[in-house]
Amino acid sequence: EVQLSESGGDLVQPGGSLRLSCAASGFTFSSYAMNWVRQAPGKGLEWVSTIGVSGGNTNYADSVKGRFTISRDNSKNTLYLQMNSLRGEDTAVYYCTKNYNMDVWGQGTTVTVSS
Amino acid sequence: DVVMTQSPLSLPVTLGQPASISCRSSQSLLYSDGNTYLNWFQQRPGQSPRRLIYKASNRDSGVPDRFSGSGSGTDFTLKISRVEAEDVGVYYCMQGTHWPKTFGQGTKVEI
Repeated sequence: EVQLSESGGDLVQPGGSLRLSCAASGFTFSSYAMNWVRQAPGKGLEWVSTIGVSGGNTNYADSVKGRFTISRDNSKNTLYLQMNSLRGEDTAVYYCTKNYNMDVWGQGTTVTVSS
Repeated sequence: DVVMTQSPLSLPVTLGQPASISCRSSQSLLYSDGNTYLNWFQQRPGQSPRRLIYKASNRDSGVPDRFSGSGSGTDFTLKISRVEAEDVGVYYCMQGTHWPKTFGQGTKVEI
């Protein structure tokens, strides 16, 4: 069964940092692009970042460019999102999703940025 | 950025009756490879989103055949032929043709 399991969400102060992880199983992780998508409380879905199969091709939403870094470790079947200089507006559930057109979603991990 | 506009934003439905959601994009979603990367997602209350339709009209595995997607260019529709209670939730369209990927605002379907 194809599964994605996010972890690392926490309460963090504004200006702080956090690293999210997404463990993948049930498919050949190294063959698929991966994404992070977030959903602020009571709001809609917002694409955050995408990484290609080898990790050398990345894209970011303007709202996180320069602050967030997406990466992957194909030997560990794991996707990451390093989040720096966090702001209140980054508060959201963060989902990892498989493939450019998001055919599989994880259960999400909650990031709360507040003092 | 490509703006995705859904309507209606709230859709009261009757069990057993059809329902339809529109999604319009500010630019054509036809990609140079001939594909149209328009996806539909369902998010039931308290759950993660789930993809229903990809490339505008292809149903994902396990998705009931009462769901169908249609459209091309900038105008797309998700139809439910006969609404069931489990269809309650929020539906999003998303374009994957242009960077950045963008979602519609969501349509809340309620009985």
